[in-house]
Amino acid sequence: KNQVEQSPQSLIILEGKNCTLQCNYTVSPFSNLRWYKQDTGRGPVSLTIMTFSENTKSNGRYTATLDADTKQSSLHITASQLSDSASYICVVSARTIREYGNKLVFGAGTILRVKS
Amino acid sequence: NAGVTQTPKFRVLKTGQSMTLLCAQDMNHEYMYWYRQDPGMGLRLIHYSVGEGTTAKGEVPDGYNVSRLKKQNFLLGLESAAPSQTSVYFCASRGSLNTEAFFGQGTRLTVV
Repeated sequence: KNQVEQSPQSLIILEGKNCTLQCNYTVSPFSNLRWYKQDTGRGPVSLTIMTFSENTKSNGRYTATLDADTKQSSLHITASQLSDSASYICVVSARTIREYGNKLVFGAGTILRVKS
Repeated sequence: NAGVTQTPKFRVLKTGQSMTLLCAQDMNHEYMYWYRQDPGMGLRLIHYSVGEGTTAKGEVPDGYNVSRLKKQNFLLGLESAAPSQTSVYFCASRGSLNTEAFFGQGTRLTVV
């Protein structure tokens, strides 16, 4: 059972447009949620991190939201650029100290392609 | 500051061969992890370490071994490679349980 589900699997948008990526999770007990950007052939790089009490967090043109009650998060990208083309991965951290050193559960990612 | 460095970046192995992947971090991090990434799936944890001299199994440990003899290095070994181990391998490290994990650039391994 995949505890972190992302949608859509892939997305193509025109440069300058906005888009929103979704993440639903069932990981419990919840510790925090991160969004990572992974360029082709590179390792993931953190964009934002949110704990249980945070509803929204921004990093430049990236804005992440979190609804801990419904266990949903979204990543909104404003005024997209060609360099935004990448895979965006939702990662949920479980508060299980004894298991996996504070287990990180990865979604499969959303592949975003920005066209000119 | 190099961050997390993985070597090699690419490797092709024949079935049954062995190899070691090296992960080195220069941030004095306690926690280090090895993941594999396969198409359409999230990263899956192979093994991890919570400090020098310690290792533990993750979700998919079979066919792999690890060692953490020095705090800055985390080695992943394949004793007898199988085609099912064809994947991209990522190493990550972080200083504490609630801080950001930093990833290496990945090692693309093909077993034929």
